[in-house]
Amino acid sequence: DSGVTQTPKHLITATGQRVTLRCSPRSGDLSVYWYQQSLDQGLQFLIQYYNGEERAKGNILERFSAQQFPDLHSELNLSSLELGDSALYFCASSDLAGRSYNEQFFGPGTRLTVL
Amino acid sequence: AQSVSQHNHHVILSEAASLELGCNYSYGGTVNLFWYVQYPGQHLQLLLKYFSGDPLVKGIKGFEAEFIKSKFSFNLRKPSVQWSDTAEYFCAVNADNYGQNFVFGPGTRLSVLP
Repeated sequence: DSGVTQTPKHLITATGQRVTLRCSPRSGDLSVYWYQQSLDQGLQFLIQYYNGEERAKGNILERFSAQQFPDLHSELNLSSLELGDSALYFCASSDLAGRSYNEQFFGPGTRLTVL
Repeated sequence: AQSVSQHNHHVILSEAASLELGCNYSYGGTVNLFWYVQYPGQHLQLLLKYFSGDPLVKGIKGFEAEFIKSKFSFNLRKPSVQWSDTAEYFCAVNADNYGQNFVFGPGTRLSVLP
């Protein structure tokens, strides 16, 4: 158990819908990362938040957005869903404090299926 | 932009065979290097990491990796694999000047036959 929690574990929805994925980082970690893992694209970095502010952006679509709240939990919002958005979405956290060598701790993931 | 390549997409070995998984990155500055493992149906877990000091790094479960700066490589090794090592292995790079976002390689799937 990494200490990172994600809900829900599974999500099945239809095209055009909007969903919200939730992540709670390890206690004390200020940084949250979101990744998308699919068979054809591998593990893709989406976005990073540090202490409530966006720190880095990767291959995140405009239909996707995220935020980190004062209690440090984060939500990833996916809208106008398409079949190709079906994937495993991971959240990870790390204790940065300026130390870029700190590893990320991954949550169990949310499996999104768009029908 | 930094990138990470992994030499093999799928490796199949018999138990007790030796393992070496290749990882190369493209970035000329200071880097921090990681190997993660993802067992079937599970999340990614850290195997080992390098950020300074001895370029030969030992991790959990008997894995080790060697950082060769001149070759931009960070290959993962294990002298004798077990069936339980069947998993997907990801190399990752975090370069200081690129903020704190990791770049992961495409992964290598390891299948160990009993």
